Amino acid sequence: SQQGEEDPQALSIQEGENATMNCSYKTSINNLQWYRQNSGRGLVHLILIRSNEREKHSGRLRVTLDTSKKSSSLLITASRAADTASYFCATAGAISSGSARQLTFGSGTQLTVLP
Amino acid sequence: DSGVTQTPKHLITATGQRVTLRCSPRSGDLSVYWYQQSLDQGLQFLIQYYNGEERAKGNILERFSAQQFPDLHSELNLSSLELGDSALYFCASSVATGGYTFGSGTRLTVV
Repeated sequence: SQQGEEDPQALSIQEGENATMNCSYKTSINNLQWYRQNSGRGLVHLILIRSNEREKHSGRLRVTLDTSKKSSSLLITASRAADTASYFCATAGAISSGSARQLTFGSGTQLTVLP
Repeated sequence: DSGVTQTPKHLITATGQRVTLRCSPRSGDLSVYWYQQSLDQGLQFLIQYYNGEERAKGNILERFSAQQFPDLHSELNLSSLELGDSALYFCASSVATGGYTFGSGTRLTVV
């Protein structure tokens, strides 16, 4: 079952604009991660934010986390045509057995950046 | 190249058949995860292995099984295949505190 729900399901913007994607989840988490997937390819890890962090930056990416609302957002600034892809949030549960936690993925947002 | 190697990239097989998908994790990663991605179910966690031992099970059918070998590579066995098993199957590896590194996947088509 899906832990996260992403909003919007699809987003189309012009190159140079900012893109914001939102993710909501249901249970307590240890961390939340964002991944990117180009059509039919493997997922690429973008950024990880821990449950005790509120905001994180990596290049043109900014992620926020609100654990009280169980939600996160991914902002891509100054978008490029090459950013066209599906973006997924994924949560790692709060309970750990000592090994890396399994991730539960959201349904994804399809971002199209028009040149 | 992500460092996680999956073979084969594509597989076409008939219903009722059995296939084996292979994954070599990134060097140093002890955990291997298998995921299934289909249009209707999205990305579904199947199973996790850690240093040769099964650690967690997700939505894995009884017709499916997996194992992780001493050299840490893993195999996912799918048997009595049905049309609905057609999907992308991903393997990922990780260290305890970081994100996953995904392989490029195996596209399975059951005809």
